[in-house]
Order: sequence, then structure tokens, then C-alpha cells
Amino acid sequence: DVQLVESGGGLVQPGGSLRLSCAASGFTFSDYAMNWVRQAPGKGLEWVSYIRSGGIRSGGTAIYYADSVKGRFTISRDNAKNSLTLQMNSLRAEDTAVYYCARIPQYGTGWFFDSWGQGTLVTVSS
Amino acid sequence: EIVLTQSPGTLSLSPGERATLSCRASQSFSSTYLAWYQQKPGQAPRLLIYGASSRATGIPDRFSGSGSGTDFTLTISRLEPEDFAVYYCHQYERSQTFGQGTKLEIK
Repeated sequence: DVQLVESGGGLVQPGGSLRLSCAASGFTFSDYAMNWVRQAPGKGLEWVSYIRSGGIRSGGTAIYYADSVKGRFTISRDNAKNSLTLQMNSLRAEDTAVYYCARIPQYGTGWFFDSWGQGTLVTVSS
Repeated sequence: EIVLTQSPGTLSLSPGERATLSCRASQSFSSTYLAWYQQKPGQAPRLLIYGASSRATGIPDRFSGSGSGTDFTLTISRLEPEDFAVYYCHQYERSQTFGQGTKLEIK
């Protein structure tokens, strides 16, 4: 079974940093593009960042960010460790949310998400 | 940015009834790039429909999607108790945006 398990959330002061991780299992991680999607408390979903599969067969890494986090967040992956990471710097109160890692399937067209982790809560507050 | 507006905000129905959820876009886009998700309290979203009308693996056939251009619909033909949740539409043709959600509650 596909499993995505996020960790690293917590309480951080405005301007601080936090590093989120997502451990993947049950599928060939290197073959799949991955994303971070967040959800502020009681609110809807917001896509945060994308990273292409990056395996040898895929031809390299492509990365994209939502405008709201560009220049502050960095997505990366370690295919050898089946791990996805989101480094979050210069955090703001409006970054408070549950952060999900989400997989883009190999069927269909485009960036929709067929598997999600359980999420990790990031709270930015003084 | 394509803005997705879902209606109604809350839908109150009884088990066995038919549910029709709407997702309207501020600009037209290809139906290839429209998905629906279900989210229950404290859980991650679950993919129901992609490409506007294709059911994801394991999704019961009482769930169906339709639409094109700016108007898309998720229909649940006969509500089961486990279907009461929040539903989100998602467009992924131009960047990514989600609707604000429709809460489907038991009447």
C-alpha cells in the first residue's frame, strides 16, 4: 500500500524556519512527481510546491512554487531515502496550516493528487 | 488565476437522496484538468474524480463527474452515511487552484 508520512511540524515564531519531511513507502518513489499542499485551519486547500520525479529515466528535476511561498520555501527530494522535504524560511502567520505531501499519479493528464499523507501542522505565532 | 466557486456552501440531505455539487470557474478550461476530492474531519483529502469524469481507483460508481468549460458537477446518486463530508473541486490546467468546498451534511 502507498504510504506517505509527514513529520517536522510544530510551533515557530514569525520569521523563523522549519523543515518538513515526508517518508514514502509502498511505491517506487523516484518514478513519481511529488507536491506539498497546505490547508489553513478551517479553510480550503492551497497548492504549495511541486518537484518532478528526478529519476534517471525522467531526465532531471523540475521545481515550481506558489507565488505565496516563492523565495522563502525550498522543496527537495532524496530518491535513495524515499524522502521529500520542504524547507520553510521567513515564516509568516499566514503560513499556519496543515501541510500535506501528495503524489501525482502516472495515469491521467496533469497535476492532480491520488495519494496524500496525514499531514503535519505548522503554527506560526509569537 | 482561475477562481473556482463551489455551490452550495452547505448541502443538507438524507441518506438515499441524490446530491448535486457545482463548481464554476472564472475562466474556461479543458475538462481534462478538473478533479474532485472528498475530505472528512481530521483526514487528508481523497481523490474521487479526475479529468472531470474519470473515477479514481476504488471509488464507488454512485460518484460521477461531468461538465465542461466553466461549469462542472459532482453527482452522488444515492447518498450513503459515509458520504457526508466536504468536497473540493480542483483545476490543474493553469497552475493549481481549489474551490472553497461544499459541506455535505446529514439532514
